[in-house]
Order: sequence, then C-alpha cells, then structure tokens
Amino acid sequence: QKEVEQNSGPLSVPEGAIASLNCTYSDRVSQSFFWYRQYSGKSPELIMSIYSNGDKEDGRFTAQLNKASQYVSLLIRDSQPSDSATYLCAVKGDSSYKLIFGSGTRLLVRP
Amino acid sequence: DAEITQSPRHKITETGRQVTLACHQTWNHNNMFWYRQDLGHGLRLIHYSYGVQDTNKGEVSDGYSVSRSNTEDLPLTLESAASSQTSVYFCASRPGLNTEQYFGPGTRLTVT
Repeated sequence: QKEVEQNSGPLSVPEGAIASLNCTYSDRVSQSFFWYRQYSGKSPELIMSIYSNGDKEDGRFTAQLNKASQYVSLLIRDSQPSDSATYLCAVKGDSSYKLIFGSGTRLLVRP
Repeated sequence: DAEITQSPRHKITETGRQVTLACHQTWNHNNMFWYRQDLGHGLRLIHYSYGVQDTNKGEVSDGYSVSRSNTEDLPLTLESAASSQTSVYFCASRPGLNTEQYFGPGTRLTVT
C-alpha cells in the first residue's frame, strides 16, 4: 500500500463547478498536510496547508482533514480553466522532516 | 524578496561525466531537500539536509551526493552521470519541522 494515495485522474469538470480532489494516507500519526498545484513543466506550488481536523478556507480553495478516516481533500469552488493542473497531496509524519507525496491528480476544467 | 533558485535550468551532459546542480535559498531555512520527478514515479527524495554539515540519504540516493557548507546552498552532484538519471530535479526548503515547504523552479537534466 502506498503511503499517500491519490486518484491519477484526469478529473474533468466544467467551468464554474466545484472540483473535489481526494487523498488518503497510511501513517496514523501524520501531523501536517499540504496541497500543491503543479502546472505542466513547472515546479510544485504550495496552495494550502492544514494541520487540524476540519475545514480550512482560502479564497476559492477549501482543504478538509479527517484524521480518524485518514483522508484529506481539496475543494476548488468556481473552477476556472486556469485551475487545470496536477494537484499533489503531501503528508508529513510525526517525527520525520520528510514530506511524502502522492502521485497527483490531474484536473481539467472545461470552458 | 527571499527566494529559492536553481541553476542551470537545463543541462545536457554525456554518460560518465560529473555534473553538479546548484540550489540557493535566501530564506535562511535550515532544511533543504532534493527531489527528482519522473513520469510514473512522482516526486522522489534524493538527499536532504537539516543544517550546515548535515546530509542524509533519501529513497533514491545511489549515484548522487550533496554537501552543506552553509545555510543557503545545497549542491547536488551526480558522480558519473547515467541515462537513468535523466529527469527533472527540484530543490526545496522549509524552516522547521511542521512548516510549509517551498520548491525551486527545477533543473531539466538530460544524460545522453
């Protein structure tokens, strides 16, 4: 079992819709959770971090964390074609400095 | 503004040559990381450093080395480049244990 799992996609949504990206992780003691956006040919860009159970909102982005179920999700409201990218979920364990990355979900927003 | 830079951005080299990729950050972050990204494998950790004179092996460290002589720089050296090391290399840094991590722009390396 991979430590951090994401559906590779592509996830295709129409412009203006809500895009829902999901990520599950295997290490129960994970403490920190991050979402990165990566455009083709570019480096990963941090868009959200979340450390405690519940929702965290930043503009059109909402991160949701449920440690009991070991999943973290990212909602993108009013999706725009410019949101089309690969979204990487990253999880940090309890004592290690290392981030564990999922393989990413490719999101396509159709005009 | 503080930032993290990588050089060169693109490099073509021949099999067997030694290659060094530079990573420089001006945030004064203690923790620095090198990743490679390949289709089908995602981001894989090569080496990392928690501070000056500290270096550690990641999951794909064979054929690579790093040194940390100051806070700002973590150069990655390919001792004898192999075609299997053709990849995109990303450097990253962050200040502390549970803090956010930021990536450099990447270096695309081709080994012929």
